[in-house]
Amino acid sequence: GAVVSQHPSWVICKSGTSVKIECRSLDFQATTMFWYRQFPKQSLMLMATSNEGSKATYEQGVEKDKFLINHASLTLSTLTVTSAHPEDSSFYICSARGDRKNQPQHFGDGTRLSIL
Amino acid sequence: TQLLEQSPQFLSIQEGENLTVYCNSSSVFSSLQWYRQEPGEGPVLLVTVVTGGEVKKLKRLTFQFGDARKDSSLHITAAQPGDTGLYLCAGSTLQGGSEKLVFGKGTKLTVNP
Repeated sequence: GAVVSQHPSWVICKSGTSVKIECRSLDFQATTMFWYRQFPKQSLMLMATSNEGSKATYEQGVEKDKFLINHASLTLSTLTVTSAHPEDSSFYICSARGDRKNQPQHFGDGTRLSIL
Repeated sequence: TQLLEQSPQFLSIQEGENLTVYCNSSSVFSSLQWYRQEPGEGPVLLVTVVTGGEVKKLKRLTFQFGDARKDSSLHITAAQPGDTGLYLCAGSTLQGGSEKLVFGKGTKLTVNP
């Protein structure tokens, strides 16, 4: 159980393009979804937290107008990297969690984003 | 800012050896998770520890949560090449009314046959 699907797994695009990444919880209702970024040989850094039906809460230093997050249902959240530039190239990972206490986060398989 | 110091950062051992990975913090966590991540994939949950002093075993892996819920350890007995991977600890904390995970930098384990 607790499967999280992330799509696409790999994106290569030109600078200036906007890229949308989807995160779905397949077998549970995800009250909260999280978006992380992981640079090579580094750990996961939280970008934002989103609760279904409300605006995302962004971490300090993360531009909300550049990284648009939508969490319109209990099973789907999307991250759109707008006007992506080479410095946005990274491994983006989503996670989802239900609403019971101490429930762990379950992670998707990540999206490798490469901006040329 | 809460920090979770994980050590060692790199570990290369021979098959059959034992090892311990540590996560330490000055902050108290409501729970702590250990994940394993393969290259190009998302982290996979191994265990969650909640109670101070709690010990959980998963086959050859033993996880311990410190009494004060500030630190944790992962001990692997008789390591095998299949144990190779990046091990991440993550502490759960309440910030700004929402529960978040603070990750350690990870321990890259290589088990040589």
